[in-house]
Amino acid sequence: GQNIDQPTEMTATEGAIVQINCTYQTSGFNGLFWYQQHAGEAPTFLSYNVLDGLEEKGRFSSFLSRSKGYSYLLLKELQMKDSASYLCAVLDSNYQLIWGAGTKLIIKP
Amino acid sequence: NAGVTQTPKFQVLKTGQSMTLQCAQDMNHEYMSWYRQDPGMGLRLIHYSVGAGITDQGEVPNGYNVSRSTTEDFPLRLLSAAPSQTSVYFCASSYSGTGDPNTGELFFGEGSRLTVL
Repeated sequence: GQNIDQPTEMTATEGAIVQINCTYQTSGFNGLFWYQQHAGEAPTFLSYNVLDGLEEKGRFSSFLSRSKGYSYLLLKELQMKDSASYLCAVLDSNYQLIWGAGTKLIIKP
Repeated sequence: NAGVTQTPKFQVLKTGQSMTLQCAQDMNHEYMSWYRQDPGMGLRLIHYSVGAGITDQGEVPNGYNVSRSTTEDFPLRLLSAAPSQTSVYFCASSYSGTGDPNTGELFFGEGSRLTVL
């Protein structure tokens, strides 16, 4: 079966750095996505990785290792507005998205 | 540019009732899809469409119908509502089935929270 694993919940302090991990076992791989979802709202796109390595976008960075079936989302200089769920999704060999259950990130002042 | 518009935002149904969730996008996207989101689970694909006149089943299609008569609209019909269909439903669209080749971005509607009693 296909599986995406993410921690259920994480807590971090405002101004700090947090790393949210995602491991996957899927039939094929055509890219990995991270989405942010604030409570009661729609998911919004953060990043897309298809090659190994780190991609940086401002305070957010996403890393991919295809050989390890592993990705992480790194959030720097945390702000209260970063409190949200972060969804990891993998595009499989049939170009279908397989979604993780999401990681709820709680930011404390 | 409204993006993806879903209606209604909230709905309460009784078991056995039918209803239609509306979804419209104004970005001329070929790909549209319906997901349901339940606590503790990842988004699950119900149905999708790669263009007008073409629809296909996703992971959890039972109890739902869709049609795609125009590029813009992709309604989801619940034929006979059951309590197991209590969920938050999201419509999403993208440039292609894989999303934009450069960004892989899915554009989501605001969601429709459905309760079936």
